[in-house]
Amino acid sequence: DAGITQSPRHKVTETGTPVTLRCHQTENHRYMYWYRQDPGHGLRLIHYSYGVKDTDKGEVSDGYSVSRSKTEDFLLTLESATSSQTSVYFCAISGTSRTYEQYFGPGTRLTVT
Amino acid sequence: KNEVEQSPQNLTAQEGEFITINCSYSVGISALHWLQQHPGGGIVSLFMLSSGKKKHGRLIATINIQEKHSSLHITASHPRDSAVYICAVSSLNNNDMRFGAGTRLTVKP
Repeated sequence: DAGITQSPRHKVTETGTPVTLRCHQTENHRYMYWYRQDPGHGLRLIHYSYGVKDTDKGEVSDGYSVSRSKTEDFLLTLESATSSQTSVYFCAISGTSRTYEQYFGPGTRLTVT
Repeated sequence: KNEVEQSPQNLTAQEGEFITINCSYSVGISALHWLQQHPGGGIVSLFMLSSGKKKHGRLIATINIQEKHSSLHITASHPRDSAVYICAVSSLNNNDMRFGAGTRLTVKP
């Protein structure tokens, strides 16, 4: 298994509070991704990173920001959580390109009340 | 309309049955991926293919580029195959991956 961990694995928070999810990899892969998974939808890309301090938006980036200060860590921040951001969040990594095989973390279940 | 459509959404089979899950896509692709998500939530890559057919154990994946269609077959299905199977494409349009909504497979003993 690729060395990818996510923390926390579960979180319940209140509307309006800031939340940060962490993805940590030990594979030294260049590309890192944050997805959200909702019933009836496929995985949807929130943000991705193609190197330290290099990030870009995905298709559902509104309300989210990211940072990557080290190769191994990719943080996803919800500045002011809303109930629509209740979801399961997956981090993924890939080494070669954005469209090559990706390895997924275990997921973080976030509930915004 | 989603760029990647899977059918069926849900599938229940008896142990030992031959299973087929279908995936159709509407964009130009460089590769197609089949992923498996177990009830615990973890997602693993099963196949990445750009033409023809690949086989791994009881799993077979095929792709028809001209028809923009792929199938995932499971032979001699087993309850441990119960999972959500996800089709994804590496899109040439936006240099990104797009995912289907998944097919939930339940194999009963």
